[in-house]
Amino acid sequence: KNEVEQSPQNLTAQEGEFITINCSYSVGISALHWLQQHPGGGIVSLFMLSSGKKKHGRLIATINIQEKHSSLHITASHPRDSAVYICAVSPRGYFGSGTKLNVKP
Amino acid sequence: GAGVSQSPRYKVAKRGQDVALRCDPISGHVSLFWYQQALGQGPEFLTYFQNEAQLDKSGLPSDRFFAERPEGSVSTLKIQRTQQEDSAVYLCASSLGLAGGRTGELFFGEGSRLTVL
Repeated sequence: KNEVEQSPQNLTAQEGEFITINCSYSVGISALHWLQQHPGGGIVSLFMLSSGKKKHGRLIATINIQEKHSSLHITASHPRDSAVYICAVSPRGYFGSGTKLNVKP
Repeated sequence: GAGVSQSPRYKVAKRGQDVALRCDPISGHVSLFWYQQALGQGPEFLTYFQNEAQLDKSGLPSDRFFAERPEGSVSTLKIQRTQQEDSAVYLCASSLGLAGGRTGELFFGEGSRLTVL
């Protein structure tokens, strides 16, 4: 399915770098979700957005409804941020393919 | 319950066997989703329910896959005549999914790991 597309697919960063992951969607949505999955772990919800911007600690998520685009930013990245980040849209629950982030110390 | 519960956590099946995977969503959650996650891959959408209505089953890979949610709560994903390529973790998620297009945070279960020998 191409309803939700993410970029990049893989991202390697040095500790402390500012990271941006992008998500574009082509379907109507009621909300957009950013999810995190650590290797071998379950999926947890980071943000749910329907407009504007949300911030939680070093994580910031923004959405532009007109452009059907969202970004997830990580400031001052840390090795523990290494995980797969997934964009998903409601109500249908379609996922992007995920961005595998590796933050090196 | 406090979270989304899936059972069994692990299932080993012989090729050709039928399997049934259960998902207990958070009480009161209207929307329920099933995903398939193969080893090393991201989750792939399978199907979506709103209450008992299956609104989208476009992700089901073949007619061997069937999902139901007869009373709008517990859901079962059934796989008939399992094949080796069905080996994956099957994830269930639920959300409040209020009426009128409003939605809620997605909550995921731990998944059911299916291995087909």
